[in-house]
Amino acid sequence: AQKITQTQPGMFVQEKEAVTLDCTYDTSDQSYGLFWYKQPSSGEMIFLIYQGSYDEQNATEGRYSLNFQKARKSANLVISASQLGDSAMYFCAMREGPEGSGYSTLTFGKGTMLLVSP
Amino acid sequence: AAGVIQSPRHLIKEKRETATLKCYPIPRHDTVYWYQQGPGQDPQFLISFYEKMQSDKGSIPDRFSAQQFSDYHSELNMSSLELGDSALYFCASRSRDRSEKLFFGSGTQLSVL
Repeated sequence: AQKITQTQPGMFVQEKEAVTLDCTYDTSDQSYGLFWYKQPSSGEMIFLIYQGSYDEQNATEGRYSLNFQKARKSANLVISASQLGDSAMYFCAMREGPEGSGYSTLTFGKGTMLLVSP
Repeated sequence: AAGVIQSPRHLIKEKRETATLKCYPIPRHDTVYWYQQGPGQDPQFLISFYEKMQSDKGSIPDRFSAQQFSDYHSELNMSSLELGDSALYFCASRSRDRSEKLFFGSGTQLSVL
């Protein structure tokens, strides 16, 4: 079964508008972490935001916020005030196991391509 | 700030040849991960190292091997290359303070002809 599901292959948004990219996850672990990465056309993988399963507050990093709904197992990324430079592929990823594990790996979703238009 | 350095940036090989990809983690990062991303695909975990020991293994073919050296850099060795090995290979590193952030390099684009 897919551990990370991103149901939106592509999203369009106009500049300055907010956009939500969906991510649902599947795990039986009590302790896990959720990540969002941005991959522009140049290929590099850029860390955006992290949410631990025990964090009570939703994570925020500048224009990025993570809407964490634990009971629904969703971790949607919200980008406020979209910019043209936000056009990229966005990946949701999960680390299973407790924080601080020496070698925990990430499992990625299939990604959502975001296009921001002027 | 220093980032994860991968070399080479691009590599073209023929079938059945070998390739070596290198990864230099961020200073003071002791954990290295290798991922493979096929065209239009999500990254797939290959292998990881913690303090120079293999710590986890994913979908890495037997034709591939990797190691982490005393200076924490890592090399991914790929032999008997196949057309299907054409992909973007990422290295990521993580810090000793057990920060949850994995920092990725820019990747090595391997093309097997």
